[in-house]
Amino acid sequence: DAGVIQSPRHEVTEMGQEVTLRCKPISGHDYLFWYRQTMMRGLELLIYFNNNVPIDDSGMPEDRFSAKMPNASFSTLKIQPSEPRDSAVYFCASSLETSETQYFGPGTRLLVL
Amino acid sequence: GESVGLHLPTLSVQEGDNSIINCAYSNSASDYFIWYKQESGKGPQFIIDIRSNMDKRQGQRVTVLLNKTVKHLSLQIAATQPGDSAVYFCAEINQAGTALIFGKGTTLSVSS
Repeated sequence: DAGVIQSPRHEVTEMGQEVTLRCKPISGHDYLFWYRQTMMRGLELLIYFNNNVPIDDSGMPEDRFSAKMPNASFSTLKIQPSEPRDSAVYFCASSLETSETQYFGPGTRLLVL
Repeated sequence: GESVGLHLPTLSVQEGDNSIINCAYSNSASDYFIWYKQESGKGPQFIIDIRSNMDKRQGQRVTVLLNKTVKHLSLQIAATQPGDSAVYFCAEINQAGTALIFGKGTTLSVSS
């Protein structure tokens, strides 16, 4: 298996623009997680899905953030409009169960100017 | 509350030495813990895990110790190599028994 796949790997955009991050989980994993990592706050869970259904989105910082999982092999995290404080590395992870190991993708490094 | 923290932000060792990275957790109900390694520019990579019904688990060159009495977790790396240089995170299952809570991380630097 190729592991968790994320795209793009790097994104530079201007404030106010829409940003869409993409994730393909490991095949067969029922859980998908979106995290944000910054120096100040470390790894923060934003939202997670079980069988394509959002279960807990309490970590989503604002209404500007939204996430979808239209099918078992694809999820998106969208920021609209983006702001400089959204600059971070965004990771997607997947697991078989919540109590099982999460496998992380390589991350998307987002810079909002 | 839910918090997972590390005792030291950085650890510097010589190649060949044994390394010990410590972690304290606050949720006594947590029953699953994981150590991750994150190299520069990469996502966290699973190293080893342990459940609360165990106090020790060994992998290849790594050992995780769990002390539930004092809510302490440690990662021991034997014969540390330059390739072990990375940030190490401990993580625990949150109170709801769902997603992981990550500590801030310890940076391990290995010099030759």
